Amino acid sequence: GAGVSQSPSNKVTEKGKDVELRCDPISGHTALYWYRQSLGQGLEFLIYFQGNSAPDKSGLPSDRFSAERTGGSVSTLTIQRTQQEDSAVYLCASSIIDSNYGYTFGSGTRLTVV
Amino acid sequence: DAKTTQPPSMDCAEGRAANLPCNHSTISGNEYVYWYRQIHSQGPQYIIHGLKNNETNEMASLIITEDRKSSTLILPHATLRDTAVYYCIVRVVSNQGGKLIFGQGTELSVKP
Repeated sequence: GAGVSQSPSNKVTEKGKDVELRCDPISGHTALYWYRQSLGQGLEFLIYFQGNSAPDKSGLPSDRFSAERTGGSVSTLTIQRTQQEDSAVYLCASSIIDSNYGYTFGSGTRLTVV
Repeated sequence: DAKTTQPPSMDCAEGRAANLPCNHSTISGNEYVYWYRQIHSQGPQYIIHGLKNNETNEMASLIITEDRKSSTLILPHATLRDTAVYYCIVRVVSNQGGKLIFGQGTELSVKP
């Protein structure tokens, strides 16, 4: 597609349930990044993929959070046993490695844990 | 931690130039200055970036001081649609990729 696509756009889940968030990057972009943004806050880095490997997972807040990327394309961010503090907008971005033009962000998934 | 300092908020009159400052006094020689903006309820949008020289594109101009310790993003004729949070970020550009670290940004309000 022309841009970074994220699904679902909105997700409401009950506390304790697992959720999966999907990111479909721009075709040909080898780098993929996940961020989250809590209400009224700045962007918090979660994880970075280069191809299918994740050289930087330093932002994942706990072991309830995991992410994978297959085929160098689609990525899935999984949150297990969701908590209310996980409520946020989860943003995905992709870029061409060694490009000077930065990232292209998707519109995000708004996750609400009730 | 973010390596940049920006004022939390600014106002600008519609049609006037908006000048958004950023301090990055600890910038390294191989780090670029990037600017993004985030309009409410949308993902961040790339605006412009530079290393040493001033840069201009269809959206904005970027002025970097000679010592590279600060920069200014200029929106030459601000419109109401430019109301957004503007983020100044320093980042090494390499073939290893690398994350952008966002600070709190400057909330720009363009007023009629």
